[in-house]
Amino acid sequence: DSGVTQTPKHLITATGQRVTLRCSPRSGDLSVYWYQQSLDQGLQFLIQYYNGEERAKGNILERFSAQQFPDLHSELNLSSLELGDSALYFCASSVGTVSTEAFFGQGTRLTVV
Amino acid sequence: AQKVTQAQTEISVVEKEDVTLDCVYETRDTTYYLFWYKQPPSGELVFLIRRNSFDEQNEISGRYSWNFQKSTSSFNFTITASQVVDSAVYFCALSGFSGTYKYIFGTGTRLKVLA
Repeated sequence: DSGVTQTPKHLITATGQRVTLRCSPRSGDLSVYWYQQSLDQGLQFLIQYYNGEERAKGNILERFSAQQFPDLHSELNLSSLELGDSALYFCASSVGTVSTEAFFGQGTRLTVV
Repeated sequence: AQKVTQAQTEISVVEKEDVTLDCVYETRDTTYYLFWYKQPPSGELVFLIRRNSFDEQNEISGRYSWNFQKSTSSFNFTITASQVVDSAVYFCALSGFSGTYKYIFGTGTRLKVLA
């Protein structure tokens, strides 16, 4: 158990809908990262937060947004969903920034039908 | 730019064979960090090791060993006496401070250990 909790584990939704993925980092970790893993794209970095502030943005679509709350949990919002958004979404956390290892949650498998 | 290359897409070995997974990286950072992660069939990503760029000492942990060579920009992972439970996708990753606070992952190597 990595200590990073992601909910839900599985999500099936229709095109055009909006979903929210939730992540609770390990106790004491200030950084949260979101990654998308699809079969043809590998692990793609979406966004990083450090202590509530956005620190880095990757190839995150405008339809996607995220935030980190004062209690350090994070949410990833995906809207106007398309079939191509079906993927495994990982949240990871680390104590500092990228000089320490990140621990990953079990992921949320999103299926858009 | 930072980049991680795992040229081996898939490797199959018979149980008890040794296997080496290759990882080659590119970075302009003078200080950087390298990682290996394991993704078993269950899907979660499991952290295995972190290596700092200023520490070229090789590391051994049980049946696992890592060979870091700055001269060839490689960070290879060897499993000795492989077991069926080692079957997974293994990812090499790189991070640094060139303005991008993220871990860059290679495309992964799928290891199949056959009984």
